[in-house]
Amino acid sequence: GAGVSQSPSNKVTEKGKDVELRCDPISGHTALYWYRQSLGQGLEFLIYFQGNSAPDKSGLPSDRFSAERTGGSVSTLTIQRTQQEDSAVYLCASSLAYTISGERSQYFGPGTRLTVL
Amino acid sequence: DQQVKQNSPSLSVQEGRISILNCDYTNSMFDYFLWYKKYPAEGPTFLISISSIKDKNEDGRFTVFLNKSAKHLSLHIVPSQPGDSAVYFCAASDGGPGTASKLTFGTGTRLQVTL
Repeated sequence: GAGVSQSPSNKVTEKGKDVELRCDPISGHTALYWYRQSLGQGLEFLIYFQGNSAPDKSGLPSDRFSAERTGGSVSTLTIQRTQQEDSAVYLCASSLAYTISGERSQYFGPGTRLTVL
Repeated sequence: DQQVKQNSPSLSVQEGRISILNCDYTNSMFDYFLWYKKYPAEGPTFLISISSIKDKNEDGRFTVFLNKSAKHLSLHIVPSQPGDSAVYFCAASDGGPGTASKLTFGTGTRLQVTL
């Protein structure tokens, strides 16, 4: 009964470097989401994967951000040429794609705290 | 443009009393609402949800009320306990019945339950 796991838990990088953040969703969850929480802000949607469908990338703030999901399971969020404004906690969540009950809860990992110096 | 708003950044309540956290939304397409609780250095934890076809959902000490005409929902915690001290986020979805979709979050309300 493992939950959503994310790695690393903390990442400090220098401005201009690329970073990769990893998410391992709950087994059997076909929907996977990335959000970020900047200091003092709510969670901001970034990207959403659902099965084999094209991902919803409408929340990505710039073309420096990209994500992929291999084999319908693990996902990697990549930020190229990091900027100081990218500093935030990056949260991954997963859920079932559809429930008969109508319930739409998403289950979150602990997040990766990214600091860009 | 903030589609989900939590206008109270913080709330302090005495142990045993009722905590009421409020949330307003502007998007009429939202049809499912959720409350999450977040402790420092942890991911948000799902608390309770409500579909737009209902006006109340209850789970133990937690009750969520939805007023669609006012585009307002609230979370009631009674009785409040010290372990309830956390940041509470309101979230909304427009994916359609039972269908996964992205969530739009408010900025959170920090609840402190005092002894």
